[in-house]
Amino acid sequence: DQQVKQNSPSLSVQEGRISILNCDYTNSMFDYFLWYKKYPAEGPTFLISISSIKDKNEDGRFTVFLNKSAKHLSLHIVPSQPGDSAVYFCAASGGSTGGGADGLTFGKGTHLIIQP
Amino acid sequence: NAGVMQNPRHLVRRRGQEARLRCSPMKGHSHVYWYRQLPEEGLKFMVYLQKENIIDESGMPKERFSAEFPKEGPSILRIQQVVRGDSAAYFCASSSTATRNTIYFGEGSWLTVV
Repeated sequence: DQQVKQNSPSLSVQEGRISILNCDYTNSMFDYFLWYKKYPAEGPTFLISISSIKDKNEDGRFTVFLNKSAKHLSLHIVPSQPGDSAVYFCAASGGSTGGGADGLTFGKGTHLIIQP
Repeated sequence: NAGVMQNPRHLVRRRGQEARLRCSPMKGHSHVYWYRQLPEEGLKFMVYLQKENIIDESGMPKERFSAEFPKEGPSILRIQQVVRGDSAAYFCASSSTATRNTIYFGEGSWLTVV
């Protein structure tokens, strides 16, 4: 039972264009969402997060949008750069506050390829 | 670098041996998590620990796997009598109460069972 789904295993985008990575979730208790970026043979790196009280959070070239009614979030990267080529994981948590008593539920990831 | 430190980075074990993976959380973090990534799969939660306490081990296999986070020293993920299916990347992450559910990962430990 996958509670966090990233339906596109891979995505190819031209350098300079916008990359849009999508994520759907099923658990209505989730109230905090994160995106991580992962290069091969390295650990995931935290990118950006959003609380369910917001519908948008922006940090430089990265913007995360949350649509609670559709249980959908997306990560926009603009403009896309070669160094953005990596696997992007969507993650969600819910319930209690504090130091992460819930743990995070991850999607399977989307491999983003930025073409020159 | 005060990041999450994992060792060893790479570990090769024969079937039936024991594997021990270590994790030192980021400075100031008291929450430790272990995740596993199997080939072609996403990150699967295994266990969440605080000092001397296992908070949530719902993702741990029922047998052969154990984890601890002692009062002093790193967190240890222990796999007894390893089998080929245990070959995976094991990631440790840590967080503090202040960072809520934003957890920060180490570089990972790659276990290969031959």
